[in-house]
Amino acid sequence: GAGVSQSPSNKVTEKGKDVELRCDPISGHTALYWYRQSLGQGLEFLIYFQGNSAPDKSGLPSDRFSAERTGGSVSTLTIQRTQQEDSAVYLCASTRPRAGNTIYFGEGSWLTVV
Amino acid sequence: AQSVAQPEDQVNVAEGNPLTVKCTYSVSGNPYLFWYVQYPNRGLQFLLKYITGDNLVKGSYGFEAEFNKSQTSFHLKKPSALVSDSALYFCAVSQSNDYKLSFGAGTTVTVRA
Repeated sequence: GAGVSQSPSNKVTEKGKDVELRCDPISGHTALYWYRQSLGQGLEFLIYFQGNSAPDKSGLPSDRFSAERTGGSVSTLTIQRTQQEDSAVYLCASTRPRAGNTIYFGEGSWLTVV
Repeated sequence: AQSVAQPEDQVNVAEGNPLTVKCTYSVSGNPYLFWYVQYPNRGLQFLLKYITGDNLVKGSYGFEAEFNKSQTSFHLKKPSALVSDSALYFCAVSQSNDYKLSFGAGTTVTVRA
């Protein structure tokens, strides 16, 4: 597609429920990132996928968070047993995997846990 | 390890005046430096980057940034600010051999008419 596409754009969920956030990267971009932006905070790296390599999961905050990327394209970020502190904007980004290449972001999925 | 500092949470300027948003970085080896802008309820948009070459980098919407290796800075500038420049600005850095971008906390710019 023309840009990074994320869905849903907004999600309100009850504490304890599971949520899935989806990201469709720019066509041809084999590298994909998830970042989290909490209110008044900077961007926190969560996870990085590149082709068929093992993902870098070093930023995932707890074992309630997981992500997968099927077929080297679409990625899903899953948060199990959501907590109020999970409320944030989850941003997906993609690029061609060469250092210094520009990373392009989607519009984000705004998650509110009530 | 790599990190970015944006020392000002907020910058307020009058329309038509120069705008500067400060950024300093810490990284091993050669840095790759980026500026992104985020408008309300939107994702991040790329403004400009420094990889190598000229220290003065020109980007979108009339913005430019100057890489200063001795001061480890990469300040964003615009000679004449517009009200529409009001947004949240992020500086980011990666090491030259790394894929991971580290972001600053962001600076909110308000341009008053």
